Amino acid sequence: AAGVIQSPRHLIKEKRETATLKCYPIPRHDTVYWYQQGPGQDPQFLISFYEKMQSDKGSIPDRFSAQQFSDYHSELNMSSLELGDSALYFCASSLAGGGTGELFFGEGSRLTVL
Amino acid sequence: KQEVTQIPAALSVPEGENLVLNCSFTDSAIYNLQWFRQDPGKGLTSLLLIQSSQREQTSGRLNASLDKSSGRSTLYIAASQPGDSATYLCAAYTGGFKTIFGAGTRLFVKA
Repeated sequence: AAGVIQSPRHLIKEKRETATLKCYPIPRHDTVYWYQQGPGQDPQFLISFYEKMQSDKGSIPDRFSAQQFSDYHSELNMSSLELGDSALYFCASSLAGGGTGELFFGEGSRLTVL
Repeated sequence: KQEVTQIPAALSVPEGENLVLNCSFTDSAIYNLQWFRQDPGKGLTSLLLIQSSQREQTSGRLNASLDKSSGRSTLYIAASQPGDSATYLCAAYTGGFKTIFGAGTRLFVKA
């Protein structure tokens, strides 16, 4: 069965650079979530999209932005990168409309900021 | 604001033991509660999902229960194996397209 696909899996950037992470949800899922997980920490909710509209916002820095496109894939854009942005970034998808709301996660994108 | 707490933070047991992981949440108005497994540096694998109208769910050696009134969920693992070693996270969904995670329980099963 198709799962949530994230790219790239690994990314190394310098401070003050920009990075873009991509997420392809499970087919027919209408909701995408982005989480950030620092070393030894639990996943922290950043932002979510339902039917291509931003549905909720968590602890996402102003330097970060995200959007969901017409094909339901989502991109997380991070600018002016800081050392503290080094983390695993997870995307999850679910079927909110008429579904169980069960979250399915991708394998994550590991961002290292030098 | 929903807060999710998991106890214990870490657990080490000998192979074959039955064990219980605990999860508590402050806002009982949840839509569902989900248990995940995470191996080091890997993604989160969904283990069990309990809807708010359900009391428990079972999958193989895993059984998860939900008591909304007390704000608690437990994950029971029967006959633990070294391959069960991982971090187990519970997550509560209270609507608003946002799921809140606990800090997880790091489980180590000794052979």
